[in-house]
Amino acid sequence: SQQGEEDPQALSIQEGENATMNCSYKTSINNLQWYRQNSGRGLVHLILIRSNEREKHSGRLRVTLDTSKKSSSLLITASRAADTASYFCAIAGYSTLTFGKGTMLLVSP
Amino acid sequence: ETGVTQTPRHLVMGMTNKKSLKCEQHLGHNAMYWYKQSAKKPLELMFVYNFKEQTENNSVPSRFSPECPNSSHLFLHLHTLQPEDSALYLCASSQESSGRNEQFFGPGTRLTVL
Repeated sequence: SQQGEEDPQALSIQEGENATMNCSYKTSINNLQWYRQNSGRGLVHLILIRSNEREKHSGRLRVTLDTSKKSSSLLITASRAADTASYFCAIAGYSTLTFGKGTMLLVSP
Repeated sequence: ETGVTQTPRHLVMGMTNKKSLKCEQHLGHNAMYWYKQSAKKPLELMFVYNFKEQTENNSVPSRFSPECPNSSHLFLHLHTLQPEDSALYLCASSQESSGRNEQFFGPGTRLTVL
């Protein structure tokens, strides 16, 4: 299975702190994507990192990819209450995406 | 807004009812997807359509019947569902279905089967 596994399952932090979520997978990938989901809503694409890339930034988001360890991390810097959501990694092999169970992030004011 | 709309947003149905979920994308994409999201489970891919042709059916029970009349519209026809089918059903689209592109999701239909 190409399903990614996020760690931790849940994370609770204070506003202003950084949040780090990890994703591990088992097979070769074309790319790895991170999505955010607010409670009961659709998923929103955050960032895509290709297998030949090691790091990408988008605003307060930083994603790293280590293909030798088959892992990725998502760092949200200077978190805000509005960042409260579930975060999913999605593994792209050579067909469609496979999503993990997600990390629930709670940012308290 | 992501450019993908879903109706209805909420649906309650009995096990003997027939209903349909609708998805429309305004992004000019060629691939559309149905996903099922149940509590504490990974997002489950149900069906994939690429250029109106079904390219993937992940062993979904026949009580779920997809229809893709064109690249912009996707339906999920429901009949004789079971209570365990209660979930959030998400539609998504992408430029094509290879997995190389990001997917854009609709807001979902929250389905409750009584």
